[in-house]
Amino acid sequence: AAGVIQSPRHLIKEKRETATLKCYPIPRHDTVYWYQQGPGQDPQFLISFYEKMQSDKGSIPDRFSAQQFSDYHSELNMSSLELGDSALYFCASSRLAGTYNEQFFGPGTRLTVL
Amino acid sequence: KQEVTQIPAALSVPEGENLVLNCSFTDSAIYNLQWFRQDPGKGLTSLLLIQSSQREQTSGRLNASLDKSSGRSTLYIAASQPGDSATYLCAVKGTGGYQKVTFGTGTKLQVIP
Repeated sequence: AAGVIQSPRHLIKEKRETATLKCYPIPRHDTVYWYQQGPGQDPQFLISFYEKMQSDKGSIPDRFSAQQFSDYHSELNMSSLELGDSALYFCASSRLAGTYNEQFFGPGTRLTVL
Repeated sequence: KQEVTQIPAALSVPEGENLVLNCSFTDSAIYNLQWFRQDPGKGLTSLLLIQSSQREQTSGRLNASLDKSSGRSTLYIAASQPGDSATYLCAVKGTGGYQKVTFGTGTKLQVIP
């Protein structure tokens, strides 16, 4: 079965650089969620999109922005990177109208800021 | 604001032992609760999902229960194996908005051969 695809899997950036993370949801899933997991921490919700519109917002810094495109893939744009942005970034997708609306998680993108 | 806590934070057991992981949440207005497994530096693997109307779910050696009124869920692992060693996270999906997930603090399990 198709799963959530995230790219790249690993990314190394310098401070103050920008980074773009991509997420390709499971086919026919209409909702995408982004989570950030710092070292030794539980995943924290950042932002979500339903049908290409922002649906919910969590602890996402103003330096970050995200969008969902017409093909339902999503991109998380991170600017002015800081050392503290080093984390594992997960994307999850779900089908809002689905029976259980279960979120399926991608493998994550590990971002290292030097 | 939903808060999800898992106890214990770490657990070490000998192989073959049955064990219980605990998850508690402060807001009982939940849509569902999901248990995940995470290996070091890896992604999240969904183990079991319990809808708010359900009491328990079973998959192989795993059994998850949900008591929504008391804000508690347990994950029971029978006959533990070294391959079960991982961090286990519970995650609660709320009923408001588009149902973002709030993760628990995790329990790091080590099964000793």
